[in-house]
Amino acid sequence: KNEVEQSPQNLTAQEGEFITINCSYSVGISALHWLQQHPGGGIVSLFMLSSGKKKHGRLIATINIQEKHSSLHITASHPRDSAVYICANSGNQFYFGTGTSLTVIP
Amino acid sequence: DGGITQSPKYLFRKEGQNVTLSCEQNLNHDAMYWYRQDPGQGLRLIYYSQIVNDFQKGDIAEGYSVSREKKESFPLTVTSAQKNPTAFYLCASKTRNTGELFFGEGSRLTVL
Repeated sequence: KNEVEQSPQNLTAQEGEFITINCSYSVGISALHWLQQHPGGGIVSLFMLSSGKKKHGRLIATINIQEKHSSLHITASHPRDSAVYICANSGNQFYFGTGTSLTVIP
Repeated sequence: DGGITQSPKYLFRKEGQNVTLSCEQNLNHDAMYWYRQDPGQGLRLIYYSQIVNDFQKGDIAEGYSVSREKKESFPLTVTSAQKNPTAFYLCASKTRNTGELFFGEGSRLTVL
C-alpha cells in the first residue's frame, strides 16, 4: 500500500523561526511533490523533486531516496507562510499526505 | 494567464439531486484529475483522464461520473447515489513534460 505520512500535523511558530516539515513514504516514487494550500482552499505546487535538494526563496526541499524521506524547510518564517503544506508522491498516480497546518505568529 | 478554473466555488444541494462541478483548463495539459478532500484526510482520487474521450476510475469513484469531450474540460457530476457528498472538490491537471501538478481553487459542496 502506498502510504504518505507527514509530521507534525500542526505547527505554530514565531515569525523568523526556522521551520521543518517531514514526509515519509512507503513505496518507491518517480517524484515527490510539496504543495501549499491556503485557507481559501486553492493549492499551488512548491516543489517537485526526485533527488537532492531544491531551493526557492526562503523555501528548501530535500529528499533522501534510500530512506524514503523528504523535508520542507522554511527559513525566516513570516505570517504569510501560514498555510497547510502537503506532500505527495507520484508514480502512476499521486498519493497525498494529510497535510501539516502551519501558523506563523507575528 | 494560464490556469485551471473551477465553478461554482460554493454549492448547496438537496439530497437526491445530481450536481455538476465544472473544471476548465487552458494549460494544454492532457491529464486531468478530480480529487475529494475531507477534514483530516489526504486528497483522494475520484476520476482521472489521460486523454480526450477516455477516463478511469480512481479510488472513490462510486456515486460520481465524469466526461472528457474536450481537452480543456473535465466536469464532475456528483450523483444522488453518492452517500456522503458534502466535501471540498479539487480539479487538477498535469504537464506531460515535467509531471508538475496544477490545481484549481476548488468547489465546496454542501448537501442539505
